[in-house]
Amino acid sequence: SQKIEQNSEALNIQEGKTATLTCNYTNYSPAYLQWYRQDPGRGPVFLLLIRENEKEKRKERLKVTFDTTLKQSLFHITASQPADSATYLCALEATDKLIFGTGTRLQVFP
Amino acid sequence: SAVISQKPSRDICQRGTSLTIQCQVDSQVTMMFWYRQQPGQSLTLIATANQGSEATYESGFVIDKFPISRPNLTFSTLTVSNMSPEDSSIYLCSARGRTGELFFGEGSRLTVL
Repeated sequence: SQKIEQNSEALNIQEGKTATLTCNYTNYSPAYLQWYRQDPGRGPVFLLLIRENEKEKRKERLKVTFDTTLKQSLFHITASQPADSATYLCALEATDKLIFGTGTRLQVFP
Repeated sequence: SAVISQKPSRDICQRGTSLTIQCQVDSQVTMMFWYRQQPGQSLTLIATANQGSEATYESGFVIDKFPISRPNLTFSTLTVSNMSPEDSSIYLCSARGRTGELFFGEGSRLTVL
């Protein structure tokens, strides 16, 4: 069956460190993968999109990698700040639709 | 980018009633989607709202329970019919941008008593 899995446990890190979140998938062949941020009580907000022929994408303090052989994406936030605390969702393109992973809650402590 | 407005933002409903959620986009978009997010869970796709034709539903969701309208390229509605407490959830409208990203509304939090 098709699955998109993210770390179910919350990730707690200290301010200034790099946060790394993982997204693993099975039985998908996505043309692209996306990452979203969701704050409590709000809708998800788009962060980054990476295509299957791209290994890495950067935007300010964010970096995404996409390994289609491992069927995995890594999402990095460098120099993390308490304001980065949120739930981060990966999403795969599947026949013109986006299917979301389970999400990982990130907590950055001062 | 697109700005999406949803209403109501929240509602408390009685079992057996129906509620219609409205979604307005500030620009014309080709694709709109409705998702459900149950407490502490991720997003589950309900259906793709097709302009001028019937919505395309995902497995586990049916038109009789979740009728969807999309009369034009900027507006869609989702109705939750004959509600039960299991329908208590956040319902999110989204629209696809030019490069494939989704823009979301703030969601409609529905509580069924």
